[in-house]
Amino acid sequence: GESVGLHLPTLSVQEGDNSIINCAYSNSASDYFIWYKQESGKGPQFIIDIRSNMDKRQGQRVTVLLNKTVKHLSLQIAATQPGDSAVYFCAENQGNRDDKIIFGKGTRLHILP
Amino acid sequence: DSGVTQTPKHLITATGQRVTLRCSPRSGDLSVYWYQQSLDQGLQFLIQYYNGEERAKGNILERFSAQQFPDLHSELNLSSLELGDSALYFCASSSRDRVVTEAFFGQGTRLTVV
Repeated sequence: GESVGLHLPTLSVQEGDNSIINCAYSNSASDYFIWYKQESGKGPQFIIDIRSNMDKRQGQRVTVLLNKTVKHLSLQIAATQPGDSAVYFCAENQGNRDDKIIFGKGTRLHILP
Repeated sequence: DSGVTQTPKHLITATGQRVTLRCSPRSGDLSVYWYQQSLDQGLQFLIQYYNGEERAKGNILERFSAQQFPDLHSELNLSSLELGDSALYFCASSSRDRVVTEAFFGQGTRLTVV
């Protein structure tokens, strides 16, 4: 079964505010945790990853935080824009030879005008 | 455009039938992944190939099979189709010069079984 999952199926955020999307995982052995974005009618798109030996990683307008103590992962999007409307998936790669990427169920982010 | 091409985009077929979904990975990518996306199940990993060989298997039914050809394109075969097989099927590809976190997804094939 899946070892990653999301706390909330839907999140509504005012345009310009920061968004925080959360994810819980159960597999402590995962090597990498990853966030993907899926816009309507498209395939998922890589946003950012974080290795399991890190606590924080920043990208352009996005920050991923990893709390291994409570097995929690979050994606922060700064100054949310209409183009950020999408479903966000957390995922993991256990770092095994097979390199499969396992996805959680997703959170839909709605941007309010 | 991710560089991954999936055909067909849409497919409608009857229960009991067999279909083949096709995927052309990004140029140079050796790994191909197949995922099934249903409304309430998220993205389910089905199977992965690397340079023609099966590398990992997920929740893939025995009625489903896949292969990767010498030119690296891949096909997913779905047989004895059931209504519950209706879903979006995604193919993704990646290079494998390190642990893979960034896979490039195609636009998917929407399969409707009636």
